[in-house]
Amino acid sequence: GAVVSQHPSRVICKSGTSVKIECRSLDFQATTMFWYRQFPKKSLMLMATSNEGSKATYEQGVEKDKFLINHASLTLSTLTVTSAHPEDSSFYICSAIAGGSTGETQYFGPGTRLLVL
Amino acid sequence: LAKTTQPISMDSYEGQEVNITCSHNNIATNDYITWYQQFPSQGPRFIIQGYKTKVTNEVASLFIPADRKSSTLSLPRVSLSDTAVYYCLVGDIRAAGNKLTFGGGTRVLVKP
Repeated sequence: GAVVSQHPSRVICKSGTSVKIECRSLDFQATTMFWYRQFPKKSLMLMATSNEGSKATYEQGVEKDKFLINHASLTLSTLTVTSAHPEDSSFYICSAIAGGSTGETQYFGPGTRLLVL
Repeated sequence: LAKTTQPISMDSYEGQEVNITCSHNNIATNDYITWYQQFPSQGPRFIIQGYKTKVTNEVASLFIPADRKSSTLSLPRVSLSDTAVYYCLVGDIRAAGNKLTFGGGTRVLVKP
């Protein structure tokens, strides 16, 4: 299947700083990528849809000024958590859509563990 | 978006077949059914995707009845390493603006 990578895999930062997470489609181009967050023992929650060359679409309740998304190329989307606070500590996962044998499929990155102290 | 309902958890033993059923009564005509496996602290891994009838690959089979209001993921001869959370997603991601949202998933525990 298609490969999606994320960097960094884990990050620890001080409260008030900003953190950037990269999501790359390694062997395919993705006009659309998605960002999710996941709390322990919970399911994935969609945060936003990242569209190449245009503004991201945020889900209700997600602050667009806090979670900045940039999708500047067909293989890279970035999520910047601005002025991070401890409650932003979570597991962030991105995904991208690629063609598969049974139609287009969403493939996920390995996730980024963010800990805000 | 079609809402999905899965059992919260299932226990099994090594070597057994595990069948997880997902209900999606409001599935739309263009929606596909996709199953993912997730281990702790990892992103979901694609298992199988189908539209109707039966799909089989090297790791699982997916059974979809004619009315498509449910689907069953079948894992043959599970091992301890199949202990994970399994998610059923329904939707048409090809359509512009569409997105897949996750339900609660099924936590499968494989015992020795």
